[in-house]
Amino acid sequence: AQSVTQPDIHITVSEGASLELRCNYSYGATPYLFWYVQSPGQGLQLLLKYFSGDTLVQGIKGFEAEFKRSQSSFNLRKPSVHWSDAAEYFCAVGPKSGSARQLTFGSGTQLTVLP
Amino acid sequence: SQTIHQWPATLVQPVGSPLSLECTVEGTSNPNLYWYRQAAGRGLQLLFYSVGIGQISSEVPQNLSASRPQDRQFILSSKKLLLSDSGFYLCAHGDGTTDTQYFGPGTRLTVL
Repeated sequence: AQSVTQPDIHITVSEGASLELRCNYSYGATPYLFWYVQSPGQGLQLLLKYFSGDTLVQGIKGFEAEFKRSQSSFNLRKPSVHWSDAAEYFCAVGPKSGSARQLTFGSGTQLTVLP
Repeated sequence: SQTIHQWPATLVQPVGSPLSLECTVEGTSNPNLYWYRQAAGRGLQLLFYSVGIGQISSEVPQNLSASRPQDRQFILSSKKLLLSDSGFYLCAHGDGTTDTQYFGPGTRLTVL
């Protein structure tokens, strides 16, 4: 069965510091990969996605993620964190085939940004 | 551009009462539609998805059901709510050939 692991439940960084959020997945084949962000009480916003091609993908708000097939990882990075980045971040995977994309989500990483 | 609406935004219901949550999408035709539940402090769990009118697939057997009476309308229902149905319910629509999912604002359900 497919699964997504986000090993860091909570991360605290200072504003201006770099950030890396980890995501590892277990899947039968290389899936589609996504990162979403959720502010308290709100829906999820898509940050970036990987389908194929260049393994380094750029997203919104200055985020990027790198797909590493050998490590089954899709870590999210940002070179300089802003206070507005404080939120919960979810990694998700979905099948490339089929008529629908049933996503499997990780349990999330809560990011706190210190002034 | 596409917009996804959910209502109500917040709902408090007694145990044993019925439930109806609505999701509608604007700006697209024949989208894939999805219902997820997010329990407190946890990730999202896919409940149902639909690839067309009247076509519903259930991912998790439970107290809930879903219907798609119109192309851009997706409804989540229950005949009798349980305490364990409390949570944040999110609707999403798939976009494009890759069916990338975009989420609505969610409904916070509290069952007392």
